[in-house]
Amino acid sequence: EPEVTQTPSHQVTQMGQEVILRCVPISNHLYFYWYRQILGQKVEFLVSFYNNEISEKSEIFDDQFSVERPDGSNFTLKIRSTKLEDSAMYFCASSIQGMEKLFFGSGTQLSVL
Amino acid sequence: AQTVTQSQPEMSVQEAETVTLSCTYDTSESDYYLFWYKQPPSRQMILVIRQEAYKQQNATENRFSVNFQKAAKSFSLKISDSQLGDAAMYFCAYRSAGASYGKLTFGQGTILTVHP
Repeated sequence: EPEVTQTPSHQVTQMGQEVILRCVPISNHLYFYWYRQILGQKVEFLVSFYNNEISEKSEIFDDQFSVERPDGSNFTLKIRSTKLEDSAMYFCASSIQGMEKLFFGSGTQLSVL
Repeated sequence: AQTVTQSQPEMSVQEAETVTLSCTYDTSESDYYLFWYKQPPSRQMILVIRQEAYKQQNATENRFSVNFQKAAKSFSLKISDSQLGDAAMYFCAYRSAGASYGKLTFGQGTILTVHP
């Protein structure tokens, strides 16, 4: 079965640095999402992306965050100036237009020091 | 805002037995969807089962079934004939009918252990 691929599996960065998390959604999917899970907390929705624009975002997704689909295959989440509280597992997901089933990646564990 | 609560941090079951995972949710909406996702050690969440709120019939997928009680805002998952491969974290999730397809609200998760 096709999979959503996320790289790297673990990323360490210094506070204040920019970080880009990468995802390769399933090739025929049109909707893309980012979720995060801070250790010990619930999985939280960050943003949904369709037709090269954000369709919905949560309160967490402030100006420090941005998403992009730079080349038709990758889907990235950028955090401009990381904070300690950005340390979390970040999950990418994708879905076919009109379908309910989300396909999740294995996540990137971001550690901000 | 909607909330989803899973009151069982951990559950265990013997192989071939049946286990039920609990989930309650809070919403003022009448039209919504409920999901159970499985997260194995590989960390990739996989959809197990989905329920539309407007359907009274409980959803079933092979050994997985739900008990959907709309008035009580309860959505439990029953796993029959448990297998070792069922061991995972299970998340209950809610989606408003009016929200974008992928905007899910998750519960805290329940870790299921299956004993041989």
